[in-house]
Amino acid sequence: DAGITQSPRHKVTETGTPVTLRCHQTENHRYMYWYRQDPGHGLRLIHYSYGVKDTDKGEVSDGYSVSRSKTEDFLLTLESATSSQTSVYFCAISESTSGGAAGANVLTFGAGSRLTVL
Amino acid sequence: QKEVEQNSGPLSVPEGAIASLNCTYSDRVSQSFFWYRQYSGKSPELIMSIYSNGDKEDGRFTAQLNKASQYVSLLIRDSQPSDSATYLCAVKSDKLIFGTGTRLQVFP
Repeated sequence: DAGITQSPRHKVTETGTPVTLRCHQTENHRYMYWYRQDPGHGLRLIHYSYGVKDTDKGEVSDGYSVSRSKTEDFLLTLESATSSQTSVYFCAISESTSGGAAGANVLTFGAGSRLTVL
Repeated sequence: QKEVEQNSGPLSVPEGAIASLNCTYSDRVSQSFFWYRQYSGKSPELIMSIYSNGDKEDGRFTAQLNKASQYVSLLIRDSQPSDSATYLCAVKSDKLIFGTGTRLQVFP
């Protein structure tokens, strides 16, 4: 997990409350990602960023928003948490996504944030 | 819908044996293939990447790619109890898709 930290690591909240998860990197990588991992579904991309203020949706973006005001920080916000958003959230970083070049799309993951929505 | 399929396991092998993990994918234009290892309660970590047909070896690990048959496999030689983990296959064409993982158990 060197170079990438997530906070909080564990959070319990109630339905309808806002939640923000933070990802901080010291690698100066351009690309940052938020995934969720649920049994039977594997890792699914929520949102990703390809630069400061440049973000795009992944496959499960409904109910989530993101912001990246600095290279090193990528925030994931649940505006109004629901029980279906109970999950383990992983932030990841990568240096490049181009083609089949060596190193492309090699992701380094943070330690994860376990969120429980009651 | 583009898919990456893995047998969920568990795959149980004795210590010292070869563990063979398999992954099939649906998108024929996929170009990059990855194996991540995830210990229980931990985050995934990359162990192998492969970009062209054939075998790629790194220590006790060998990744095998066959684009014509659309499968990628991971062989672990001389399996150790410390190899017990879930192994995630990931495939990239226009986006990176993860399989649900195969749980490997290596027993002494």
